Amino acid sequence: GAGVSQSPSNKVTEKGKDVELRCDPISGHTALYWYRQSLGQGLEFLIYFQGNSAPDKSGLPSDRFSAERTGGSVSTLTIQRTQQEDSAVYLCASSLGTAHSGNTIYFGEGSWLTVV
Amino acid sequence: AQRVTQPEKLLSVFKGAPVELKCNYSYSGSPELFWYVQYSRQRLQLLLRHISRESIKGFTADLNKGETSFHLKKPFAQEEDSAMYYCALKGGRGAQKLVFGQGTRLTINP
Repeated sequence: GAGVSQSPSNKVTEKGKDVELRCDPISGHTALYWYRQSLGQGLEFLIYFQGNSAPDKSGLPSDRFSAERTGGSVSTLTIQRTQQEDSAVYLCASSLGTAHSGNTIYFGEGSWLTVV
Repeated sequence: AQRVTQPEKLLSVFKGAPVELKCNYSYSGSPELFWYVQYSRQRLQLLLRHISRESIKGFTADLNKGETSFHLKKPFAQEEDSAMYYCALKGGRGAQKLVFGQGTRLTINP
């Protein structure tokens, strides 16, 4: 009965290093989202996975950002050559799917990334 | 393009007073609108959606297509309502992503 699980909860990294953030969605949820929550910027859509379909990467801010979802479950968001402006809370969310308008999207607690 | 605007970053009201959090959207089709809430040290969670026409924790929101608004209202604010509130839009059935506004931090003063 666990919700969306994210790790690490906090990460401090040096500018220029690569980081990986992990998301474990609710079991059975085929849709998975990544959002970025920056101070004063609200929630910014990054990427969306739905089943075996090609992901919607339209929100990724640069080619330093990438994400994959293995086996239709766990997802990893990778940020290469981190910059200070990448500092934010990275939120993962999952839902049963989007074909039905009644599906609720459930969020994880987020991974707080600080680039120093 | 889908866009959600929450004009107030901060809103402060006294306990027992009415509260209204504004949300305007831009979308050419028939949208689905939501309000999400994030209490201190808790994860973001769904508060209500327009298709359900429900009242949750005393909050209601009516979709006004003419004004392209989905304002969140509560007649008598309570201290536990203090939180960050996000309005969100999904572009109708089959749409793939939820677009959020910038959020409004609501503070209820005793």
